[in-house]
Amino acid sequence: GAVVSQHPSRVICKSGTSVKIECRSLDFQATTMFWYRQFPKQSLMLMATSNEGSKATYEQGVEKDKFLINHASLTLSTLTVTSAHPEDSSFYICSAPDGGYNEQFFGPGTRLTVL
Amino acid sequence: AQSVTQPDIHITVSEGASLELRCNYSYGATPYLFWYVQSPGQGLQLLLKYFSGDTLVQGIKGFEAEFKRSQSSFNLRKPSVHWSDAAEYFCAVGPWNSGNTPLVFGKGTRLSVIA
Repeated sequence: GAVVSQHPSRVICKSGTSVKIECRSLDFQATTMFWYRQFPKQSLMLMATSNEGSKATYEQGVEKDKFLINHASLTLSTLTVTSAHPEDSSFYICSAPDGGYNEQFFGPGTRLTVL
Repeated sequence: AQSVTQPDIHITVSEGASLELRCNYSYGATPYLFWYVQSPGQGLQLLLKYFSGDTLVQGIKGFEAEFKRSQSSFNLRKPSVHWSDAAEYFCAVGPWNSGNTPLVFGKGTRLSVIA
Protein backbone atom coordinates (compact mmCIF):
# COMPACT_ATOMS: atom_id res chain seq x y z
CA GLY A 1 0.00 0.00 0.00
CA ALA A 2 0.89 3.65 -0.24
CA VAL A 3 3.01 5.28 2.45
CA VAL A 4 2.70 8.71 4.02
CA SER A 5 5.42 10.09 6.25
CA GLN A 6 5.44 12.96 8.69
CA HIS A 7 8.33 14.92 10.10
CA PRO A 8 9.10 15.50 12.85
CA SER A 9 7.44 12.78 14.90
CA ARG A 10 7.80 14.84 18.06
CA VAL A 11 8.53 18.47 18.66
CA ILE A 12 8.77 20.58 21.79
CA CYS A 13 8.85 24.32 21.44
CA LYS A 14 8.55 27.44 23.51
CA SER A 15 5.41 29.52 23.51
CA GLY A 16 5.47 32.14 20.79
CA THR A 17 7.63 30.25 18.35
CA SER A 18 6.56 28.68 15.06
CA VAL A 19 6.72 25.03 14.18
CA LYS A 20 6.60 23.42 10.75
CA ILE A 21 5.29 19.90 10.22
CA GLU A 22 5.83 18.09 6.94
CA CYS A 23 3.59 15.49 5.35
CA ARG A 24 4.93 13.52 2.41
CA SER A 25 3.42 10.90 0.14
CA LEU A 26 6.37 8.64 -0.53
CA ASP A 27 5.31 6.56 -3.50
CA PHE A 28 2.34 8.33 -5.00
CA GLN A 29 1.19 11.81 -5.87
CA ALA A 30 -1.49 13.58 -3.91
CA THR A 31 -3.17 16.72 -5.14
CA THR A 32 -5.10 16.78 -1.89
CA MET A 33 -3.99 16.12 1.65
CA PHE A 34 -5.88 16.44 4.89
CA TRP A 35 -4.70 17.71 8.25
CA TYR A 36 -6.32 16.43 11.42
CA ARG A 37 -5.79 17.31 15.05
CA GLN A 38 -6.30 14.94 17.93
CA PHE A 39 -6.41 16.10 21.53
CA PRO A 40 -5.67 13.56 24.27
CA LYS A 41 -8.28 10.85 24.55
CA GLN A 42 -10.33 12.40 21.76
CA SER A 43 -11.07 11.65 18.15
CA LEU A 44 -9.49 13.09 15.04
CA MET A 45 -10.93 16.39 13.96
CA LEU A 46 -10.38 17.69 10.47
CA MET A 47 -8.55 21.02 10.49
CA ALA A 48 -8.06 21.75 6.83
CA THR A 49 -7.78 20.41 3.32
CA SER A 50 -4.52 21.10 1.57
CA ASN A 51 -4.74 21.55 -2.18
CA GLU A 52 -1.76 21.51 -4.49
CA GLY A 53 -1.66 24.71 -6.50
CA SER A 54 -4.37 26.51 -4.61
CA LYS A 55 -5.29 27.76 -1.16
CA ALA A 56 -6.11 25.41 1.64
CA THR A 57 -9.66 25.05 2.84
CA TYR A 58 -10.10 25.41 6.58
CA GLU A 59 -12.79 23.96 8.79
CA GLN A 60 -14.96 26.24 10.83
CA GLY A 61 -13.19 27.47 13.92
CA VAL A 62 -9.68 26.84 12.63
CA GLU A 63 -7.62 30.03 12.29
CA LYS A 64 -6.02 30.09 8.87
CA ASP A 65 -3.51 32.73 9.92
CA LYS A 66 -2.36 30.58 12.77
CA PHE A 67 -2.22 27.27 10.96
CA LEU A 68 -0.50 27.98 7.67
CA ILE A 69 -0.74 25.27 5.07
CA ASN A 70 1.38 25.06 1.95
CA HIS A 71 1.00 22.28 -0.58
CA ALA A 72 4.36 22.81 -2.23
CA SER A 73 4.32 19.86 -4.58
CA LEU A 74 2.35 16.75 -5.45
CA THR A 75 4.09 14.88 -2.66
CA LEU A 76 4.51 17.47 0.09
CA SER A 77 2.21 19.49 2.30
CA THR A 78 3.38 21.50 5.29
CA LEU A 79 1.51 22.76 8.31
CA THR A 80 3.09 25.65 10.18
CA VAL A 81 1.77 26.47 13.61
CA THR A 82 2.60 30.14 14.07
CA SER A 83 3.10 31.76 17.44
CA ALA A 84 2.35 28.49 19.16
CA HIS A 85 0.73 28.46 22.57
CA PRO A 86 0.27 25.64 25.07
CA GLU A 87 -3.30 25.11 23.94
CA ASP A 88 -1.93 24.17 20.50
CA SER A 89 -0.27 21.13 22.04
CA SER A 90 -1.80 18.19 20.28
CA PHE A 91 -1.24 15.25 17.98
CA TYR A 92 -1.34 16.34 14.34
CA ILE A 93 -2.02 13.72 11.67
CA CYS A 94 -2.08 14.11 7.92
CA SER A 95 -3.63 11.87 5.32
CA ALA A 96 -3.41 11.63 1.58
CA PRO A 97 -5.78 9.88 -0.80
CA ASP A 98 -4.35 7.51 -3.34
CA GLY A 99 -6.89 7.23 -6.11
CA GLY A 100 -5.53 3.91 -7.21
CA TYR A 101 -6.49 2.36 -3.89
CA ASN A 102 -9.64 4.42 -3.43
CA GLU A 103 -8.73 5.11 0.16
CA GLN A 104 -6.70 7.46 2.28
CA PHE A 105 -3.38 6.78 3.87
CA PHE A 106 -2.44 8.31 7.18
CA GLY A 107 0.89 9.57 8.37
CA PRO A 108 2.24 8.40 11.73
CA GLY A 109 1.44 11.72 13.36
CA THR A 110 3.40 14.53 15.00
CA ARG A 111 3.23 15.17 18.72
CA LEU A 112 3.52 18.90 19.38
CA THR A 113 4.18 20.13 22.89
CA VAL A 114 4.26 23.85 23.51
CA LEU A 115 5.83 24.91 26.79
CA ALA B 1 -25.27 15.50 8.26
CA GLN B 2 -22.52 12.95 8.20
CA SER B 3 -21.69 11.42 11.53
CA VAL B 4 -20.32 8.34 13.19
CA THR B 5 -21.38 7.19 16.61
CA GLN B 6 -19.39 4.82 18.74
CA PRO B 7 -21.64 4.36 21.78
CA ASP B 8 -19.03 2.76 24.01
CA ILE B 9 -16.27 5.04 25.26
CA HIS B 10 -14.42 2.31 27.11
CA ILE B 11 -14.73 -1.46 27.07
CA THR B 12 -12.85 -3.97 29.21
CA VAL B 13 -12.66 -7.61 28.22
CA SER B 14 -10.78 -10.59 29.50
CA GLU B 15 -8.03 -12.05 27.39
CA GLY B 16 -9.45 -14.83 25.26
CA ALA B 17 -12.99 -13.47 25.40
CA SER B 18 -14.88 -12.29 22.36
CA LEU B 19 -15.19 -8.63 21.45
CA GLU B 20 -17.70 -6.49 19.66
CA LEU B 21 -17.25 -2.74 19.18
CA ARG B 22 -20.27 -0.86 17.96
CA CYS B 23 -20.41 1.72 15.22
CA ASN B 24 -23.42 3.49 13.74
CA TYR B 25 -23.21 5.96 10.94
CA SER B 26 -25.29 8.58 9.25
CA TYR B 27 -24.34 9.29 5.70
CA GLY B 28 -26.26 10.71 2.79
CA ALA B 29 -24.49 8.80 0.04
CA THR B 30 -23.16 5.31 -0.40
CA PRO B 31 -20.79 4.92 2.53
CA TYR B 32 -17.28 3.63 2.53
CA LEU B 33 -16.61 2.35 6.05
CA PHE B 34 -13.38 1.86 7.92
CA TRP B 35 -12.07 0.65 11.24
CA TYR B 36 -8.73 1.94 12.48
CA VAL B 37 -6.71 1.07 15.55
CA GLN B 38 -4.42 3.46 17.37
CA SER B 39 -1.93 2.50 20.05
CA PRO B 40 -0.89 5.19 22.54
CA GLY B 41 1.20 7.87 20.89
CA GLN B 42 1.00 6.19 17.53
CA GLY B 43 -0.69 6.86 14.22
CA LEU B 44 -3.65 5.05 12.75
CA GLN B 45 -3.52 1.53 11.40
CA LEU B 46 -6.24 0.36 9.05
CA LEU B 47 -7.90 -2.82 10.30
CA LEU B 48 -10.44 -3.26 7.55
CA LYS B 49 -12.73 -1.45 5.16
CA TYR B 50 -16.03 -2.00 3.45
CA PHE B 51 -17.23 -0.58 0.19
CA SER B 52 -19.43 -3.16 -1.45
CA GLY B 53 -19.94 -6.87 -1.87
CA ASP B 54 -19.96 -9.32 0.98
CA THR B 55 -21.23 -7.52 4.06
CA LEU B 56 -18.89 -9.46 6.33
CA VAL B 57 -15.36 -8.25 5.81
CA GLN B 58 -12.19 -9.70 7.17
CA GLY B 59 -9.33 -7.58 8.34
CA ILE B 60 -5.92 -7.88 9.86
CA LYS B 61 -5.14 -9.29 13.30
CA GLY B 62 -8.18 -11.56 13.25
CA PHE B 63 -10.75 -8.75 13.18
CA GLU B 64 -13.91 -8.76 11.14
CA ALA B 65 -16.80 -6.37 10.70
CA GLU B 66 -20.32 -6.71 9.43
CA PHE B 67 -22.11 -4.02 7.46
CA LYS B 68 -25.83 -3.85 8.13
CA ARG B 69 -27.47 -1.26 5.94
CA SER B 70 -30.86 -1.56 7.62
CA GLN B 71 -29.30 -0.70 10.96
CA SER B 72 -26.70 1.75 9.63
CA SER B 73 -24.13 -0.20 11.56
CA PHE B 74 -20.64 -1.51 11.00
CA ASN B 75 -19.68 -3.37 14.15
CA LEU B 76 -16.19 -4.72 14.68
CA ARG B 77 -15.70 -8.18 16.13
CA LYS B 78 -12.96 -10.51 17.22
CA PRO B 79 -13.60 -14.03 18.54
CA SER B 80 -10.69 -14.11 20.96
CA VAL B 81 -8.99 -11.00 22.25
CA HIS B 82 -5.27 -10.86 22.94
CA TRP B 83 -3.62 -8.53 25.43
CA SER B 84 -1.90 -6.76 22.53
CA ASP B 85 -5.30 -5.66 21.22
CA ALA B 86 -5.56 -3.07 23.98
CA ALA B 87 -5.76 0.23 22.09
CA GLU B 88 -8.13 2.90 20.82
CA TYR B 89 -10.43 1.93 17.98
CA PHE B 90 -11.98 4.37 15.56
CA CYS B 91 -14.78 3.84 13.10
CA ALA B 92 -14.84 6.19 10.11
CA VAL B 93 -17.01 6.84 7.10
CA GLY B 94 -16.37 8.45 3.75
CA PRO B 95 -17.93 8.54 0.31
CA TRP B 96 -17.39 5.62 -2.00
CA ASN B 97 -14.82 7.63 -3.92
CA SER B 98 -13.01 8.54 -0.73
CA GLY B 99 -10.22 10.11 -2.65
CA ASN B 100 -10.69 13.82 -2.20
CA THR B 101 -13.08 13.87 0.69
CA PRO B 102 -11.92 13.59 4.30
CA LEU B 103 -13.17 10.86 6.53
CA VAL B 104 -15.53 11.47 9.41
CA PHE B 105 -14.42 9.71 12.57
CA GLY B 106 -16.29 8.48 15.57
CA LYS B 107 -15.08 9.46 19.02
CA GLY B 108 -13.36 6.16 19.50
CA THR B 109 -13.65 3.23 21.86
CA ARG B 110 -10.83 2.44 24.23
CA LEU B 111 -10.29 -1.26 24.71
CA SER B 112 -8.67 -2.58 27.85
CA VAL B 113 -7.73 -6.25 28.13
CA ILE B 114 -7.39 -7.94 31.50
CA ALA B 115 -5.84 -11.27 32.33
